[in-house]
Amino acid sequence: AQSVTQLDSHVSVSEGTPVLLRCNYSSSYSPSLFWYVQHPNKGLQLLLKYTSAATLVKGINGFEAEFKKSETSFHLTKPSAHMSDAAEYFCVVSALTSGTYKYIFGTGTRLKVLA
Amino acid sequence: EAGVAQSPRYKIIEKRQSVAFWCNPISGHATLYWYQQILGQGPKLLIQFQNNGVVDDSQLPKDRFSAERLKGVDSTLKIQPAKLEDSAVYLCASSLQPLGGLIAKNIQYFGAGTRLSVL
Repeated sequence: AQSVTQLDSHVSVSEGTPVLLRCNYSSSYSPSLFWYVQHPNKGLQLLLKYTSAATLVKGINGFEAEFKKSETSFHLTKPSAHMSDAAEYFCVVSALTSGTYKYIFGTGTRLKVLA
Repeated sequence: EAGVAQSPRYKIIEKRQSVAFWCNPISGHATLYWYQQILGQGPKLLIQFQNNGVVDDSQLPKDRFSAERLKGVDSTLKIQPAKLEDSAVYLCASSLQPLGGLIAKNIQYFGAGTRLSVL
């Protein structure tokens, strides 16, 4: 069975410093992995996706993530945090189950950016 | 390209009342999903449609929740009667291609959600 674990429920960084949001996954086969961001009172927006191509994936707003099969990790990083990055971030694994793809969400990491 | 539209954005009701949420997916998207997101948790899939047929409703509390997508386009999710624990954000999502196929075409796009408060 597929699952995803977000290791930190809250992360605080200062503006201009690097961001690291950690995600570990469990999958019986090669997974597809996503990061979504949710700003207050907004829907989920796709940041980036890994679908078995390049292991280093670049997304929107300067975010990137690296798929590491040996560590079963898909951590999200950004070199320099901006105030507008404050939001909830979800790591998602997509599983093919009975012929249809389903998303399995992590519990989320709330990113706080300090001025 | 217009995104996934949901209404209303907010709803406050008393327990035992009924409520309905509406979703219009991205044009051409065959698959539509309803999720429940309780505060502090990740979204949980309630029901998945392919066109106007149900693919998965295993986590839908069928004694009080119902959903339909009659013409394979927009969808309605209903709760009757509501309980306090139904307070949550209800998210609708859609994707281009269902039932296998390329993962790239199964990326889900989400609406802004409906925040339900049951008092």
